[in-house]
Amino acid sequence: DVKVTQSSRYLVKRTGEKVFLECVQDMDHENMFWYRQDPGLGLRLIYFSYDVKMKEKGDIPEGYSVSREKKERFSLILESASTNQTSMYLCASSLRLAGAYEQYFGPGTRLTVT
Amino acid sequence: AQTVTQSQPEMSVQEAETVTLSCTYDTSENNYYLFWYKQPPSRQMILVIRQEAYKQQNATENRFSVNFQKAAKSFSLKISDSQLGDTAMYFCAFMLHGGNDKLIFGTGTRLQVFP
Repeated sequence: DVKVTQSSRYLVKRTGEKVFLECVQDMDHENMFWYRQDPGLGLRLIYFSYDVKMKEKGDIPEGYSVSREKKERFSLILESASTNQTSMYLCASSLRLAGAYEQYFGPGTRLTVT
Repeated sequence: AQTVTQSQPEMSVQEAETVTLSCTYDTSENNYYLFWYKQPPSRQMILVIRQEAYKQQNATENRFSVNFQKAAKSFSLKISDSQLGDTAMYFCAFMLHGGNDKLIFGTGTRLQVFP
């Protein structure tokens, strides 16, 4: 079974802190994605990566950056956390250029910025 | 740009009954895929069913089936014989064929199944 894990289920940080959210997948997937999920807004894509050291902006990249140094690991970085970044963050992975292949999701990290 | 709309924020159904969740989308492209994902409370999001736009036949997975109306850009999910374990958020999603594997999600429908 594909497994996507995220480093924390719950995280509380202070405004201005640098925050790292880690995601690891064990199925050798090329694609990895970071979404944020907010009530009434669904899932919105922050960044995605289709190869090591490659990244592309999603729909809401402002205030975030990412790192992919190894194929199995995709990190989301909040350089200076703000209260409007309080949200559920979901990581996902999938095979590359496979069209209808499903994305596999991690359990999510609920981040609260105070 | 493609958009996905789910107009029912919340729905409820009694156990063993049938319920239909609505989804409409907007695209000018002809080749794409459509998905329904399920997010149970405090559990990971999983794929329920997928539909290729070039296929006229509606996809079916056990108790889950879709009504795909390409001309109307409609993609509804029917859950038959609803079970308590079907209680979840359901998201409709769109992916362009030959694109960069990005999913575009709707805002979700929260389904509650009552005993």
